[in-house]
This record gives sequence, C-alpha cells and structure tokens, in this order.
Amino acid sequence: AQKITQTQPGMFVQEKEAVTLDCTYDTSDQSYGLFWYKQPSSGEMIFLIYQGSYDEQNATEGRYSLNFQKARKSANLVISASQLGDSAMYFCAMRSYTGTASKLTFGTGTRLQVTL
Amino acid sequence: DAGVIQSPRHEVTEMGQEVTLRCKPISGHNSLFWYRQTMMRGLELLIYFNNNVPIDDSGMPEDRFSAKMPNASFSTLKIQPSEPRDSAVYFCATAQGSHTGELFFGEGSRLTVL
Repeated sequence: AQKITQTQPGMFVQEKEAVTLDCTYDTSDQSYGLFWYKQPSSGEMIFLIYQGSYDEQNATEGRYSLNFQKARKSANLVISASQLGDSAMYFCAMRSYTGTASKLTFGTGTRLQVTL
Repeated sequence: DAGVIQSPRHEVTEMGQEVTLRCKPISGHNSLFWYRQTMMRGLELLIYFNNNVPIDDSGMPEDRFSAKMPNASFSTLKIQPSEPRDSAVYFCATAQGSHTGELFFGEGSRLTVL
C-alpha cells in the first residue's frame, strides 16, 4: 500500500523568500512517480512538478524544484522567490508504475500563506 | 485543447434524491479517476477506470455510489439515495497513460445534500 505524509498543516513565508514543503512517502514498489499539486482558494487542482523514481536529477519547473531523496523516501517541494499568488494548499502525491494500472495517492496537504 | 469537463459545477439537493455527476475526459486519455474532497477526509479516490474498465472501486463508500464509463469520452458518478454526509467536492481526473504521467483535473462538482 502507498502512503504519503505531509507533516506541515500550515506554513507561512514572506514574499520573495524561499520555502520548503515536506513530503515523505512509503511504498514497496521500485518504480513510481511523485507529484505536487497546488489548489488555490478557487478550488482547481493545478499540476506543478513531477519526479520519477529513476530520475537521477531533481526536477525543476520555473520557481518550483523537487528535492528528491530516494533513500529517505522524501520528495520536498521548494518554492523560490515566493509570491502572494503562491498562497494555496499544496498536495504531494504518488503513483506507482506496477500492475495493470495505477492510481494517484495524495497526502493531506500543506496550506501555504505568503505574507508581505 | 479542452480540459476535463465536469457537470454540474454546483448541485444542491435534498436527502434521498438521486445525484448524477458527469465527466468528459481529455481526448486520448485512457485513465479516468473520481475523487472526493472534504475538509475531514481530504482527497479520497473513489474509483478509477483504465480503457473504460473499472480497475479499483475499493474507495466507493457504499452501495449508494456507482460509477460507469460507457465509452472513452464519458463517465458518470451516481449517488442514490443521497445523504448529507455525501456533501463534498467531487473531482474527475484523467491521465494519458495507465501508469505514467500526471493527472489532469476537472474543476470539480460541489455537492450539497440538505
């Protein structure tokens, strides 16, 4: 069974600062993908970044980067130069690549508030 | 390109009524997922389909919930009879592959059962 743990229910960061949102996962599968989604107050789910379990380099997408530590089973999201528009819920998720098909399992989320 | 399209966006109904939520996936996507989001339970996977076939429905709460995918371009989630505890946002999401890639989410259907 897959499990995603996000231990920070809420985080504050000042505008223009960097922030790290924590995510740890548990799986017995060897091949899997890790994802981060953003959910602003308007409610839509926005895909941010993806990391494959066999990718040797950490994924980056603009101001987002994923700090992937496979041995520790962690996949933390780093947002650089925070902006007010980054205030939202952030969900870490995992999808295993074994079996006939695979589902996306989500963590409980971290609410990020960017302040002036 | 059109994204995942869900309808209705909002539904208010009375306890005991039947509710049908609809989803049109992105063309070419062969995996479809129904999630439910509540404050108490977060994002829960209810059921997912691959090539129109249900793969895992273990998240469906009880027999009052049913989901179908009669073809590659349409899926429904039905609740009959509805109860107040079913009030939630229901998301449909699709993915291009059965294993790989991110899920693309619809805007969600907000259900309120009085």
